[in-house]
Amino acid sequence: ETGVTQTPRHLVMGMTNKKSLKCEQHLGHNAMYWYKQSAKKPLELMFVYNFKEQTENNSVPSRFSPECPNSSHLFLHLHTLQPEDSALYLCASSRTGGGGQETQYFGPGTRLLVL
Amino acid sequence: QKEVEQNSGPLSVPEGAIASLNCTYSDRVSQSFFWYRQYSGKSPELIMSIYSNGDKEDGRFTAQLNKASQYVSLLIRDSQPSDSATYLCAVNRLNTGNQFYFGTGTSLTVIP
Repeated sequence: ETGVTQTPRHLVMGMTNKKSLKCEQHLGHNAMYWYKQSAKKPLELMFVYNFKEQTENNSVPSRFSPECPNSSHLFLHLHTLQPEDSALYLCASSRTGGGGQETQYFGPGTRLLVL
Repeated sequence: QKEVEQNSGPLSVPEGAIASLNCTYSDRVSQSFFWYRQYSGKSPELIMSIYSNGDKEDGRFTAQLNKASQYVSLLIRDSQPSDSATYLCAVNRLNTGNQFYFGTGTSLTVIP
């Protein structure tokens, strides 16, 4: 399998549930990202990992907890979410995350619905 | 002021026409510029990247960058119904490393 993959593709959860989103990239990249995309809003960067180290956390609520065990895998652990957290969650990767001429490639996304 | 601004549209063009999509950005130190296409319910797909002033052509797509005016555009020649999608403009600044800033996207409809 190539590119950036995400599982599950769709998720429905209650506010008291705990679930995890998984992302895997097969591009040999060293930087991985979580974005949230809500209707009519720009993509919101949530977290960035560069060589497994978290380098960005854009004031994301603690009910979202990222984990990056290696440069190819990224998780987003979810607990006690709110209905307004319903959105498309996108994972992306790039070569080094060092800025400049850097290109991001996106996974297919996980469509999350919080009831 | 938003980092990246796009006209949300919708923009409608007839099949075979040129579609012109525009994007402005606020920070002069922005280094890299990207256009992504996003079909409804799908993830963004990279179409073009551009780093230097001027035009960059790839098939039916041409990206234009004017750093003095802080403006980047995407032209789609011979528009096809399959080009109907939302087009996202994104910028990256060297001094912020991993920060990519996205616009809200412009919805394009190509009418057969």
